[in-house]
Parts: sequence; C-alpha cells; structure tokens
Amino acid sequence: GNSVTQMEGPVTLSEEAFLTINCTYTATGYPSLFWYVQYPGEGLQLLLKATKADDKGSNKGFEATYRKETTSFHLEKGSVQVSDSAVYFCALSAYNTNAGKSTFGDGTTLTVKP
Amino acid sequence: EADIYQTPRYLVIGTGKKITLECSQTMGHDKMYWYQQDPGMELHLIHYSYGVNSTEKGDLSSESTVSRIRTEHFPLTLESARPSHTSQYLCASSGQVNSPLHFGNGTRLTVT
Repeated sequence: GNSVTQMEGPVTLSEEAFLTINCTYTATGYPSLFWYVQYPGEGLQLLLKATKADDKGSNKGFEATYRKETTSFHLEKGSVQVSDSAVYFCALSAYNTNAGKSTFGDGTTLTVKP
Repeated sequence: EADIYQTPRYLVIGTGKKITLECSQTMGHDKMYWYQQDPGMELHLIHYSYGVNSTEKGDLSSESTVSRIRTEHFPLTLESARPSHTSQYLCASSGQVNSPLHFGNGTRLTVT
C-alpha cells in the first residue's frame, strides 16, 4: 500500500535559519505529492504541491521537488520566520490506489525562535 | 478564507450524550472526509464519502456514524459520547482526482 515517512520532530530553529523537512514515499503508479501546514488552532491548509516527476512546488518561500528516483519530496525554506512555526504534513494522493484517498505522514512540528 | 465550515469549534459534553458535529462545504466537491487528530498530531481517517448516499469507514475504527444526504453536508454523529472520544475532528473535501484536500478548522471535542 501507499505510505509516507517524514522527518521526526520536533524541529527547533532560530529565525533566518535554513529549513529542511525530509519526506519519502512509497506508492504504485504516479502519485501527486503535497505539503500541508497546520497553524495552532486551525485545520490543515495546502502549502504546495507537485503532480509529476521533477515538478517543483513553491509557495511563501517554501519549495519542494518531486524526485521519482529517490521517492522523495523534501520541504525547504532558505530563511524561516517566527510566523512559520506550525505542524507540517507531507501527503500523497494516487488515483488508482487506496481508492484515491490521501496518505499522510505523521507531521513535523516546527518551532522558530526569535 | 474558509470554504468548508465546521461547527461547533469547541464542545464539552458529558458521558452518554448524543452529539452531532456539523461539516458543510460550498465548493460542490463530491468527496468528503472525516479525520481524527490525536495529541501527537497524527491524522486518522475515520469516514469518507464519494458522493450523495455514499459513505465508507476509514482506516481507523470509530464508533461514530456519518450521513451524506446532500452534496454540501457531511455530519458526524456519536450516539453515546465517552471520554475516549475526546479528540480533535477535522472535516475535509476534495474535487477532481489527485487534487488537494480542503480542511475545515476542526471541532475540539472533550467528553467528561
């Protein structure tokens, strides 16, 4: 079946530090890949997505590249801010497997200190 | 800007009470989902629906039930709440295949 493994947290960084949150996946076929962010007290919201190999998703300074050869979709940001403190989820969706349902990683909590 | 709405945001209720958590979306999405989120932040799919009159149990067994009588509405019901039901419940919807999920802001349920 499909699975997503993401870097365990929590992650604590100083403001302006470089961020990487690792995400690897297992899926049959050609899944779409997503990063979601959950701020305190809110639901998840889409941060970025990529639908095919070598696609780069980007939003709000965050980037992730769909790497089929390494089955990875690592999240990066060059300079984090206190406002980036949140929980980040990597996820995949594959039409012809798992009845099209999304598969989520366990979430990584990021805290950015001033 | 929320296109998917959950009510109530917070609910504290005694053991044995019947409760219904409401979820509505205005996007015309066919697919809707209920997730339970534990304190460790993991998401567990408990119910999903691919259209009107279609409901399925998710990956995590749950004593709750759902209905889908209208496209926009996907309520979750607990007939007799217990302290083990204390959790955050997130509703989501999606449109075309492989499209991202849209989440509501959740209902935090506490059963005393």
